[in-house]
Formats: sequence, structure tokens, C-alpha cells
Amino acid sequence: KAGVTQTPRYLIKTRGQQVTLSCSPISGHRSVSWYQQTPGQGLQFLFEYFSETQRNKGNFPGRFSGRQFSNSRSEMNVSTLELGDSALYLCASSLAQGSYNEQFFGPGTRLTVL
Amino acid sequence: AQSVSQHNHHVILSEAASLELGCNYSYGGTVNLFWYVQYPGQHLQLLLKYFSGDPLVKGIKGFEAEFIKSKFSFNLRKPSVQWSDTAEYFCAVAEGRRALTFGSGTRLQVQP
Repeated sequence: KAGVTQTPRYLIKTRGQQVTLSCSPISGHRSVSWYQQTPGQGLQFLFEYFSETQRNKGNFPGRFSGRQFSNSRSEMNVSTLELGDSALYLCASSLAQGSYNEQFFGPGTRLTVL
Repeated sequence: AQSVSQHNHHVILSEAASLELGCNYSYGGTVNLFWYVQYPGQHLQLLLKYFSGDPLVKGIKGFEAEFIKSKFSFNLRKPSVQWSDTAEYFCAVAEGRRALTFGSGTRLQVQP
């Protein structure tokens, strides 16, 4: 069974631009969560989608948004990029919502904002 | 808000040494507890988890963790580390259907 895939793997943008990251969950998984990983802040939860609805949201500004499609694939969008948005963005999928379901992580998308 | 503390940021051990990594969380209610590991160049993966029952849980690759409710702790242990255990270890906590809150991570370096 294929794991969680994320595209692109690397991205370089400039301040003020916007970016869209994509995540394909493991087949059969309906929940997708997004995390931001930085050396200073560690792993921080962005949001979780289940059945195309946002179920949980972390403490990030509205510039960070996401969506989930009917096939459970998810996209994350960051508008008006800032230097501090440079990070590894991780996607994790699980069978269903809630921490009782094991999350499987993808390789991440490394975003660099210049 | 929930917070998770991992007091050891960088640990260096020789092969065959014993390992204990500390994890403390702030919430006093019912929580689910996890340890994840990130080997160099690999994805984050689950080592072990605790939901309820026996507070001593065993995970993959010989790791175990003990939940001590009175101390709000979930420390990770391994009796004898190997060079292949070199990785970054993350403790995470969640309340029911809420999202995971991760600790800042502990970088373990095992010297042959």
C-alpha cells in the first residue's frame, strides 16, 4: 500500500507570493492533518480535515487555509508569504478523525521564502 | 492549552547504553500519549502509543514507555541502544478527538 505522498517536495517562493501544497493520503484514509515543522517552534498543528470538512484548527493566521476533496486528497494554501513561513510542511493521514487513529506522515514539502 | 515538554534536547550515548527520554504534559484530564521517531532522511513514524490500561507500553524496536498519571509524564526507555537508533524523538499528546500537540523533540546520537 502506497504511503502518504506530498507534492512538491521542495519549493522556493518570495515574500508576498502565495503557495499551494498537495497531500494524497493512504488509500482508504479519510482524515488528513497538516503540521508545520521549524527548528525553533517544532511541530505545530495547522488543521485537520475529515470528510471534506475542517474538524480541528491550530493557532495560525487566516493566511493559512486548506481544503479536502471527495477523494480525501487535501491541499494547503498560504497567501501573502512571509519569511517566517519557511518550514517543512507535513501532512498526515489516518482512517478517521481523532487521536485514537494512528497518523501516518508523509515526507513533507520544504518551503523556503526569500 | 495543552503543552508538552521534552527536557532533553540533545542526547549522546554509546552503543549498549540505556536510554530514558523525558516527556511531561500539562493537561490533567484524559489524554492519549504517543512517541514518534524521525530517522535521518525518513518520515515521522509511530514508535508506541498509550490510550488506557497497563501504563507500561511496548513499542517497536525494543522501545517502551511508562505513563505516570500523578507526574503527568510519559517517559521513553530502551535498555540498550544501537547505532541505528540515532534519530529525533517526539512525544505527543492529544485529548480525544483533538489534534496532537508535539514536544520540541530530542535528538539522540548513538556513537558506535
